[in-house]
Amino acid sequence: GAVVSQHPSWVICKSGTSVKIECRSLDFQATTMFWYRQFPKQSLMLMATSNEGSKATYEQGVEKDKFLINHASLTLSTLTVTSAHPEDSSFYICSAPGPTAPLHFGNGTRLTVT
Amino acid sequence: AQTVTQSQPEMSVQEAETVTLSCTYDTSESDYYLFWYKQPPSRQMILVIRQEAYKQQNATENRFSVNFQKAAKSFSLKISDSQLGDAAMYFCAYREDFGNEKLTFGTGTRLTIIP
Repeated sequence: GAVVSQHPSWVICKSGTSVKIECRSLDFQATTMFWYRQFPKQSLMLMATSNEGSKATYEQGVEKDKFLINHASLTLSTLTVTSAHPEDSSFYICSAPGPTAPLHFGNGTRLTVT
Repeated sequence: AQTVTQSQPEMSVQEAETVTLSCTYDTSESDYYLFWYKQPPSRQMILVIRQEAYKQQNATENRFSVNFQKAAKSFSLKISDSQLGDAAMYFCAYREDFGNEKLTFGTGTRLTIIP
């Protein structure tokens, strides 16, 4: 079945540094990918829609300069958390519309900023 | 904007019994999709069941079924013969019919299965 691979699964970084999270569709092409954020014991909140070959669409309240999204190919989208701070610590999940399900989800990335 | 509400933060059920999780939503659209997703401790999102709004028949997937009440904007999930593996967070989600495949999630219900 269709698989979305997300890497890394967890990362710890120091405050002020940047972290890149990759999301790949392994056996299907995804012109669109969605990035969600999930705080502990909370729901998934859509951060942005990544569009292949064009600019991402950010949800209200999400800082586009802080959360840089690049969708350079039909199988890869990246989310870069720039100048990370402890309040950016969260669980980030990517997803893509696919052939066998409305959305295929990656396994998520747990980001801890110290 | 569409909103999805799950009024039960936590539910518990005895193993082999039946439990119903509630979900209501708000939309001005007539055509849309509704979903239930399961998120176990691994945090992988797993699709449980989907319902197209234009279908009157309630969706069923093995032990999982929904009660879709379009006029009331209600979409509850019934789990029959509950099993220990059903323990997880359950999220109700809404999607527009055309053009935008993003999902709007409810706040979730944590389901505990009592052996």
